[in-house]
Amino acid sequence: GIQVEQSPPDLILQEGANSTLRCNFSDSVNNLQWFHQNPWGQLINLFYIPSGTKQNGRLSATTVATERYSLLYISSSQTTDSGVYFCAVERVDMRFGAGTRLTVKP
Amino acid sequence: GAGVSQSPSNKVTEKGKDVELRCDPISGHTALYWYRQSLGQGLEFLIYFQGNSAPDKSGLPSDRFSAERTGGSVSTLTIQRTQQEDSAVYLCASSLARREQFFGPGTRLTVL
Repeated sequence: GIQVEQSPPDLILQEGANSTLRCNFSDSVNNLQWFHQNPWGQLINLFYIPSGTKQNGRLSATTVATERYSLLYISSSQTTDSGVYFCAVERVDMRFGAGTRLTVKP
Repeated sequence: GAGVSQSPSNKVTEKGKDVELRCDPISGHTALYWYRQSLGQGLEFLIYFQGNSAPDKSGLPSDRFSAERTGGSVSTLTIQRTQQEDSAVYLCASSLARREQFFGPGTRLTVL
């Protein structure tokens, strides 16, 4: 099946810093989403982005489908951004990466 | 409803008992997914329903696991003869035909 790799596995930032999270996948996909899992376990949609670039406030994402990767940018990070960020891709079924655990310190 | 709901939020059971977990998807969403997340891990796909088509059961870990979706809406995930390794958070998501998935809060299952 399709492989999904996220990097880095862990990231610690000072409040106000910027960061880039990466998602590599091993085959062409029909669907790619980024999620944030907050400390209470709720998964929140960030972007549905099988290709192209989208922005939502301090967050933006870019997927280059031909090169099989996606990037999530977080600017001016806040403590509430802490949690785990998952990339998920769908070809036949939905596969999640292992996630990037982000800790933003005040 | 406004979002995906799941019940119960927590379930503690004894090894060998059967459990049923329920998912109410967003009204009008034709696709419904079940996932499992063990402590500190990523999400593991279990089963996918799309409209009236036969479900994709390729992720079910054993024949003790089954799921149904009645009337194209509510879904029930059943685990028979539970084992300790079944302990996890079970998450349900719904979407409009393989587009953005929206997740419920999950059911935390503990098998003693």
